[in-house]
Amino acid sequence: NAGVTQTPKFQVLKTGQSMTLQCAQDMNHEYMSWYRQDPGMGLRLIHYSVGAGITDQGEVPNGYNVSRSTTEDFPLRLLSAAPSQTSVYFCASSYLFMGSSGANVLTFGAGSRLTVL
Amino acid sequence: AQSVTQLGSHVSVSEGALVLLRCNYSSSVPPYLFWYVQYPNQGLQLLLKYTSAATLVKGINGFEAEFKKSETSFHLTKPSAHMSDAAEYFCAVSEISSGSARQLTFGSGTQLTVLP
Repeated sequence: NAGVTQTPKFQVLKTGQSMTLQCAQDMNHEYMSWYRQDPGMGLRLIHYSVGAGITDQGEVPNGYNVSRSTTEDFPLRLLSAAPSQTSVYFCASSYLFMGSSGANVLTFGAGSRLTVL
Repeated sequence: AQSVTQLGSHVSVSEGALVLLRCNYSSSVPPYLFWYVQYPNQGLQLLLKYTSAATLVKGINGFEAEFKKSETSFHLTKPSAHMSDAAEYFCAVSEISSGSARQLTFGSGTQLTVLP
């Protein structure tokens, strides 16, 4: 099982450049999300989606765009990168509705480390 | 609004000693609680979860956590630390609404070092 696949694993950008972080899952999960991880701050939710064509903002959405055209893919776009966006980005997915276990567990990708100079 | 506080950003224990990682939460409704572990250069993996059944929850690798409503705590323990337990640990809370899962809110993490 591939699970959640993120590409690229590493990326260096210059201020003002744009790029897209890719995320794909093969588990037919309705819920997908993007987090950023910064030292001492844990993981903070950027954007999330509860199904194809539906996205919403999380805690720190500024400077990022997302779309969800298929169940499998949830790309994160940086339109004009800034040094403050230097971080490790994680994509995570889960089923939307609770099963018999009573709670949905997120499956995480391996992360994408982004440096903005 | 939900929030999580992890006391101690760094914890060091000797191999074979008790591991205790502290987590306190705030939630306006009964929460679901999680502990995740992150090994270097990897994503997060679920250790265990509390879903309003048994208050003592057992997870993988010998870890367990106890939900204490009166103390709003969900501390993670392991009786005997192993070198392979060295990692960063995150506590997380999720509020459930209308039968569907809501977003997780993570604590700031605790880096566990195991000394030989």
